Amino acid sequence: NAGVTQTPKFQVLKTGQSMTLQCAQDMNHNSMYWYRQDPGMGLRLIYYSASEGTTDKGEVPNGYNVSRLNKREFSLRLESAAPSQTSVYFCASSELGGGAYNEQFFGPGTRLTVL
Amino acid sequence: RKEVEQDPGPFNVPEGATVAFNCTYSNSASQSFFWYRQDCRKEPKLLMSVYSSGNEDGRFTAQLNRASQYISLLIRDSKLSDSATYLCVVTRGGGNEKLTFGTGTRLTIIP
Repeated sequence: NAGVTQTPKFQVLKTGQSMTLQCAQDMNHNSMYWYRQDPGMGLRLIYYSASEGTTDKGEVPNGYNVSRLNKREFSLRLESAAPSQTSVYFCASSELGGGAYNEQFFGPGTRLTVL
Repeated sequence: RKEVEQDPGPFNVPEGATVAFNCTYSNSASQSFFWYRQDCRKEPKLLMSVYSSGNEDGRFTAQLNRASQYISLLIRDSKLSDSATYLCVVTRGGGNEKLTFGTGTRLTIIP
């Protein structure tokens, strides 16, 4: 039981390049989330998927797209990377919609640098 | 004003001491409250939920004060392994159960 896995762990991009961050969970959770974490700021929600087949914007969705491929997998795509997207990206999942004593489980993170 | 505010620290505390952190939140409609722990360069993990009546888990005690809109975390008999960043987390309320994270309080336990 691996929990939440993310690939890659590290990535360096040049401005304008594109890439997809992959996330998978094996806990049969309904909800999945993408966050970014920057120094001096709390984790900020980029996109979330309350259930398979649905996705919604979070606080900071600009410059990103997501795909809920199936119940297990939720990917985050940067179409044209910018230096402002340099950050640590965390994927998380929860059994229900989050909050209300419903624990979110996080992946190990992807450290992305955009030059 | 930030939705969730925490003193970033660092708190440098000798082993065996008691340490307490507070966190304030701005949205009176927030319904659920949590403390997460994040080790250096690792992912956040749930430490404990915070219930209205307060709750205890071993050396850790969490309290909620809705009137003043703050939550607290008390760590007794601190261990070296308690060194981490502690994140205060609340739901947005009003039927919105997404989480808002504080920036965290960094704690270092000194031998």
